[in-house]
Amino acid sequence: DVKVTQSSRYLVKRTGEKVFLECVQDMDHENMFWYRQDPGLGLRLIYFSYDVKMKEKGDIPEGYSVSREKKERFSLILESASTNQTSMYLCASRTPGIQRGYTFGSGTRLTVV
Amino acid sequence: AQSVTQPDIHITVSEGASLELRCNYSYGATPYLFWYVQSPGQGLQLLLKYFSGDTLVQGIKGFEAEFKRSQSSFNLRKPSVHWSDAAEYFCAVEVRSNDYKLSFGAGTTVTVRA
Repeated sequence: DVKVTQSSRYLVKRTGEKVFLECVQDMDHENMFWYRQDPGLGLRLIYFSYDVKMKEKGDIPEGYSVSREKKERFSLILESASTNQTSMYLCASRTPGIQRGYTFGSGTRLTVV
Repeated sequence: AQSVTQPDIHITVSEGASLELRCNYSYGATPYLFWYVQSPGQGLQLLLKYFSGDTLVQGIKGFEAEFKRSQSSFNLRKPSVHWSDAAEYFCAVEVRSNDYKLSFGAGTTVTVRA
């Protein structure tokens, strides 16, 4: 089974800080994703990547960037954290083919103060 | 634009009663559909998925879902709810354009009363 690991379960950062959220998968998957989850809004796609150094904007990319230097690692970057970025962040990896599916990490609860 | 709608924000059901959660999608092609569950403080767990073939899909924890192309729906059901089914449920559609991504509904919170 795929394992998707997010490095931090809880983070507290100050407004204006640069924040890095890390995600690692162990199955050499090409497609990886970053979502944020807010009550009443479900999961909204921030960015996704379909290969090393390849990225595409999702539905809410403003205020975020991403980095994928190695296939197993997909990082979400908040260039200058703001209070409206307080949220739960979920990383996912896509299994292709017959076993097609999406595996999610356990999430990072980010609070910006 | 593609979208996923879960019309019910919150459902309360008695333990042992049946449960049905609604999901409608707006998407031009035949979609790949998923239902996930998230228990309080937990991550997302896949309940079931539909790609093709039999439109009634069986999942884990006694859940099933039925794909109805004519209604653009993929409703989730369980015949008899247990207290442990209290959670938030998300319907999702895999969207294929230049590449793949998963688009979610806003979720339905299920409360189970004794």
